[in-house]
Amino acid sequence: KAGVTQTPRYLIKTRGQQVTLSCSPISGHRSVSWYQQTPGQGLQFLFEYFSETQRNKGNFPGRFSGRQFSNSRSEMNVSTLELGDSALYLCASSGRTDQETQYFGPGTRLLVL
Amino acid sequence: AQKITQTQPGMFVQEKEAVTLDCTYDTSDQSYGLFWYKQPSSGEMIFLIYQGSYDEQNATEGRYSLNFQKARKSANLVISASQLGDSAMYFCAMREGNDYKLSFGAGTTVTVRA
Repeated sequence: KAGVTQTPRYLIKTRGQQVTLSCSPISGHRSVSWYQQTPGQGLQFLFEYFSETQRNKGNFPGRFSGRQFSNSRSEMNVSTLELGDSALYLCASSGRTDQETQYFGPGTRLLVL
Repeated sequence: AQKITQTQPGMFVQEKEAVTLDCTYDTSDQSYGLFWYKQPSSGEMIFLIYQGSYDEQNATEGRYSLNFQKARKSANLVISASQLGDSAMYFCAMREGNDYKLSFGAGTTVTVRA
């Protein structure tokens, strides 16, 4: 089975711009979660989608949004980028039951200048 | 309050030796899951091992074993016969009840010496 894929892998943006990151889950997985990783804050949960519905959201400003499509692929969008948004954004997918493991993609490294 | 605590920022281990990475957790849920992930410098988080709160046996996966002490709320990872490729950051994580998110610790950097 192919793993979780994320595009693009690297991105450089300037303050004030917006960015869209994409995540394709493992085939058959319907839950997709997003995490932000920074040296200062560590790994923080952004949001989780299942069957196109957001089930859970972390403590991030409204500039961070996401969506999931009918094929379970997910996108996250960050508007009005700030320097502090520079981070590794990780996407994870999991199967039907709540206790199943989350499998992560390679991440997208975003640098905001 | 911190849900996951990893007190060892960094560790050195000799090749072929075993290493134990500490993890303590805090939850009031009776049902929870504990995970360990490995993150090499490339950035990808690699799942290593899972322990459910109701599992009576300690989880094992190849060279990885989880020393689960429920009363102490600890879930230490043991890596046996360390290899150079084990050099990476290791994260302990928890999912509580019906929540869908993982809470991560700060991580432990392991460096394996030849």
